[in-house]
This record gives sequence, structure tokens and C-alpha cells, in this order.
Amino acid sequence: NAGVTQTPKFRVLKTGQSMTLLCAQDMNHEYMYWYRQDPGMGLRLIHYSVGEGTTAKGEVPDGYNVSRLKKQNFLLGLESAAPSQTSVYFCASSLSSGGANEQYFGPGTRLTVT
Amino acid sequence: DQQVKQNSPSLSVQEGRISILNCDYTNSMFDYFLWYKKYPAEGPTFLISISSIKDKNEDGRFTVFLNKSAKHLSLHIVPSQPGDSAVYFCAARRTGKLIFGQGTTLQVKP
Repeated sequence: NAGVTQTPKFRVLKTGQSMTLLCAQDMNHEYMYWYRQDPGMGLRLIHYSVGEGTTAKGEVPDGYNVSRLKKQNFLLGLESAAPSQTSVYFCASSLSSGGANEQYFGPGTRLTVT
Repeated sequence: DQQVKQNSPSLSVQEGRISILNCDYTNSMFDYFLWYKKYPAEGPTFLISISSIKDKNEDGRFTVFLNKSAKHLSLHIVPSQPGDSAVYFCAARRTGKLIFGQGTTLQVKP
């Protein structure tokens, strides 16, 4: 039982390049989330999904797209990377949005855009 | 507009003593509050939560207190251990989504 895994762990991009971050969970969770963490800012929600085939915008969605084609996977895409997207990206999942909505996090992807 | 604030970036305590981490919020519509712990190069891990209808929740060495009139919550760790050294985030839930504070780095000295 791996929980939440993220690929890749590190990446360096040049401005304008594109990439996709992959998140996978093996807990059969319905809800999945993408966050970014910047120094002094805590974690901010980029996009989230309440089930297979559905996605919704979070607090900071601009410049990102997501897809949830399979229940266990949630992809985050950057079509044209910008230096402002240099950050640590965390994926999370939860069983539902009820109760405390305890979310389980992956180990993170550190992205640098030069 | 920061709805969840952790005003102390860092806290240092001696092993065996109490650690108190604080969090303030502005939106009275939050229905749950959670604390997460994060070690370097790892993702946050859930620690403890409290419903907005409660004022205290305990789990072993960890207790969370909620003061709704002051829009303030705190996490108490007693006794503190060196392994508790980490970044602690408070988070508040509304419409199923979490809003996180900036985090407080706790250092527990042996």
C-alpha cells in the first residue's frame, strides 16, 4: 500500500516548456487535490477533483490544467511554464469531503522554472 | 486576504516541556479545523482535527483547543519530544476544501 505517489520528484524547466506531473493513489479515494507550496505562503489549492472525470478550480488555477481520466490518477499540466511556477507541488487525496476531510499527501515534486 | 494565519514562523522549546502552536482565522463559516505536520522533503501528514461545534479534542500527547469567539485555535504538545521537530500547518475547511496557514517551524531541543 503505497498511499499517494508523485512523479517526478524533481524537475527543471525552461520558460515556455510544458510538462505533466503525475499523482497516483491506491486507497480508492474519490477526492484528489493539487497544491503548491511557496515560502511563507503555506499550501494553496490549484485544482481538485471530486471523482473520475470531474475537475474544478481551486484558489490559484491560472497557468495549470488537470485531468482525472482514472479514479486513481490525477494529472497536473503546465502548458507554458513561467518562473512564477517555481514551487513545490503536492498532491493529496481523501475518501470524501465529509467529516474532517482528512487528506493524505504525496511526497511532493520540486519544480524549478528558469 | 489570508483567511488562516499562523503569526509565529518559529518556536523553540526544551524536550519534555509543552509546545503551543497558534492559529487565527477570519471566516466563521469554517466547519472543521485540522493540524498537519511536515518533515523536510516529505508531504504533510495529518495530526489531529476538531469540529467547529467542539472546543477541545485530544489524541495522546496532542490536544487542539478551539475558541470560536476569538476565532483562534491552538495545538498543545505535551511532553514535547525531539521527533516533534517539524513544520506545523493549521488548516480550516469550508465547502469541502482546506485553506492552510503559513506554517510554524517547531524545534524541540534535547
